Amino acid sequence: TQLLEQSPQFLSIQEGENLTVYCNSSSVFSSLQWYRQEPGEGPVLLVTVVTGGEVKKLKRLTFQFGDARKDSSLHITAAQPGDTGLYLCAGVGRGSTLGRLYFGRGTQLTVWP
Amino acid sequence: GAGVSQSPSNKVTEKGKDVELRCDPISGHTALYWYRQSLGQGLEFLIYFQGNSAPDKSGLPSDRFSAERTGGSVSTLTIQRTQQEDSAVYLCASSFAGYGYTFGSGTRLTVV
Repeated sequence: TQLLEQSPQFLSIQEGENLTVYCNSSSVFSSLQWYRQEPGEGPVLLVTVVTGGEVKKLKRLTFQFGDARKDSSLHITAAQPGDTGLYLCAGVGRGSTLGRLYFGRGTQLTVWP
Repeated sequence: GAGVSQSPSNKVTEKGKDVELRCDPISGHTALYWYRQSLGQGLEFLIYFQGNSAPDKSGLPSDRFSAERTGGSVSTLTIQRTQQEDSAVYLCASSFAGYGYTFGSGTRLTVV
């Protein structure tokens, strides 16, 4: 059972377009993280969102955490070929599972020049 | 070290053999995690260490899998009597007090 559902699974767009990736769950997490992974490498942490309703911006990337702390979105403005990669959301467990990450299956983004 | 180091980066083994995968976390990171990444399956949690103890081993798929951590630093994941379904990328991550997760580049295990 996948605790976090990501959509879409694949996204292929032209340079300059905007896109949004969604991460949804029926569970509440203490925080939610977004990672980017390139082939042959481990995931690299992009951002952690902690507070319900929180919005964080990282250059052209905007991350939102839902009010109920169950879902999140990643919006990329004016995508560039360098944004190509696998984007993963991960919920951070609470209580007895504090620190454990629950990953979605990821969104494979390809940006064409 | 500057990052999380995993070795070997690639391992091909025959079915039925034992393998050991090593993880050297960032110095000072008290928490260490092992995950497995299979094609189309995402990252699957295996085990979590806080210091040398493992409060959460719930993700280990069978008793053929075991892990230890010594000196609050290096960890070894051992898979006994490997099976073809064990083929995957095994990723290690470390963090300090649940913050600053850093992953290694992983060990790609292929069981033939």
